[in-house]
Amino acid sequence: GQQVMQIPQYQHVQEGEDFTTYCNSSTTLSNIQWYKQRPGGHPVFLIQLVKSGEVKKQKRLTFQFGEAKKNSSLHITATQTTDVGTYFCAGLGAGSYQLTFGKGTKLSVIP
Amino acid sequence: DTEVTQTPKHLVMGMTNKKSLKCEQHMGHRAMYWYKQKAKKPPELMFVYSYEKLSINESVPSRFSPECPNSSLLNLHLHALQPEDSALYLCASSQSGWQGAYEQYFGPGTRLTVT
Repeated sequence: GQQVMQIPQYQHVQEGEDFTTYCNSSTTLSNIQWYKQRPGGHPVFLIQLVKSGEVKKQKRLTFQFGEAKKNSSLHITATQTTDVGTYFCAGLGAGSYQLTFGKGTKLSVIP
Repeated sequence: DTEVTQTPKHLVMGMTNKKSLKCEQHMGHRAMYWYKQKAKKPPELMFVYSYEKLSINESVPSRFSPECPNSSLLNLHLHALQPEDSALYLCASSQSGWQGAYEQYFGPGTRLTVT
């Protein structure tokens, strides 16, 4: 079955440093979604990428979808304490009807 | 209104109890989901309802019984649970039942403890 690997599992950064999390799929994806879950909270949708090579920005967050549609990344510039949480990618396999979540990257920001 | 509500927030139940979790959305979404999330793990899909019909059941034990009374409501009936069923149960909804096509809106979850 489809697998979505996400790295790193944990990341500790000093406030103001950049942060990147990566997702890699074993198969080609139709699209990929990104969610953020704050400690004690629930997943909140951030963005969906559909096109090969797509890049989308939301303020300090930059999302990329690989040319082969098998990998994606989320980059945060100049992290803030409000960025703390676990970031999940979730990919939809080509021809599939079901999302597969990555294991998530837990981000800690040291003030 | 872009909110999914869930009740109760917390639930403690014994292994012989019967209880129900409730979920509601008023966004006109036609797909609703139940997920189970253990600590430090991603959400794990349990059930999908599309247009009020059960479309996906991810080999969930029969002690979990979903119900979709109408397009806005989703219930999860619990009976004879095991301690390993303790987890955060998340409800979500999206525009359609094609799970990956649209963003999912998650509720705050019910923190379940089985004693």
